[in-house]
Amino acid sequence: GAVVSQHPSWVICKSGTSVKIECRSLDFQATTMFWYRQFPKQSLMLMATSNEGSKATYEQGVEKDKFLINHASLTLSTLTVTSAHPEDSSFYICSAPSTSGGDEQFFGPGTRLTVL
Amino acid sequence: SQELEQSPQSLIVQEGKNLTINCTSSKTLYGLYWYKQKYGEGLIFLMMLQKGGEEKSHEKITAKLDEKKQQSSLHITASQPSHAGIYLCGADRGSGGYNKLIFGAGTRLAVHP
Repeated sequence: GAVVSQHPSWVICKSGTSVKIECRSLDFQATTMFWYRQFPKQSLMLMATSNEGSKATYEQGVEKDKFLINHASLTLSTLTVTSAHPEDSSFYICSAPSTSGGDEQFFGPGTRLTVL
Repeated sequence: SQELEQSPQSLIVQEGKNLTINCTSSKTLYGLYWYKQKYGEGLIFLMMLQKGGEEKSHEKITAKLDEKKQQSSLHITASQPSHAGIYLCGADRGSGGYNKLIFGAGTRLAVHP
């Protein structure tokens, strides 16, 4: 199946700094990508829909000024956590839907963010 | 409130035993996905169901969607330690043709040899 990669796989940063997470579709184009957040022992919560060429749409309760999303190309979406705080520590996962006519959605391996 | 309810929350079984995980929706399901996740890793796609009464199987895992399309079950036959992980059901909530998924809380499965 199609492959979605994320970089970095883990990151540790100081409180108040910004962190950028990349999500790439490696062998297909993705005009839409999704960003999820997963806290320990909890399920994935959809944060936002990343749209190539237009603004991202955010789920209720997700601060768009804190979680900046840029869908720079048909294979790359970035999530920047601005002024990160310890409560932002989480597992961030991106996904991209199949473009080959199937209904499968391909998930990246995730990025573990720890804010000290 | 959670749109998708999964049960049980956790499950410990002996190797070789059968088990069932359930996923219930408060709304009609137009696309129901089952994924498996190892802790701290990405999601592995298992199966997707769309039609009422649909049933799919892959190796020792069978998933069903009821006729009313509000409940799905995932059944594992003769469980193995390799089946251990977190099983997530996801429902398609998007429009415009792209799969915007919401997920249940997950079922944590441990299989003891």
